[in-house]
Amino acid sequence: KNEVEQSPQNLTAQEGEFITINCSYSVGISALHWLQQHPGGGIVSLFMLSSGKKKHGRLIATINIQEKHSSLHITASHPRDSAVYICASTGDKLIFGTGTRLQVFP
Amino acid sequence: NAGVMQNPRHLVRRRGQEARLRCSPMKGHSHVYWYRQLPEEGLKFMVYLQKENIIDESGMPKERFSAEFPKEGPSILRIQQVVRGDSAAYFCASSPPESPSFRIYEQFFGPGTRLTVL
Repeated sequence: KNEVEQSPQNLTAQEGEFITINCSYSVGISALHWLQQHPGGGIVSLFMLSSGKKKHGRLIATINIQEKHSSLHITASHPRDSAVYICASTGDKLIFGTGTRLQVFP
Repeated sequence: NAGVMQNPRHLVRRRGQEARLRCSPMKGHSHVYWYRQLPEEGLKFMVYLQKENIIDESGMPKERFSAEFPKEGPSILRIQQVVRGDSAAYFCASSPPESPSFRIYEQFFGPGTRLTVL
């Protein structure tokens, strides 16, 4: 069992919909990261969280340390948001989730 | 300021051959990380290097894999006697000298090298 679990594995949405991707981890962490991997393979770091909530444009990330859970939200989704979203925990080890593949249709 | 560069972007090898993957970090960056992404699987950390030092190689397979980051030149990930199971995308990332280790948000990723072993 992976120590970082993401859900859903696959997600389709219509343009404009509100998207939520979830990440649960089972070990203590110092930080939780969200990454975006585009269809061409390029990887971009979106957020690093150790508590609370962060917002960047239409992206919002939250974390609940007690529940060992983080969410990534996308408001007013757009086809260009189509990508794989990956969460990763850092503590003693660096552990990645398996990713959520998002497709947004016009 | 050029980003992280990896070459080749695609590499095809036959079983038993050697694969050499190169990573040039961003200018001024002295930390390099290598990650592997197997087909239909998530990213996995392999190794963390600073110039002329391997800091953490806990994710490296025990045999056939080695990495270096010399004083001059790119970081090299070397896979000897490749097998079909080595087929994957290999990403490197770099971060500035003052970055604490494993702070992904300060890491800049290269485009990856896709290794195919026939």
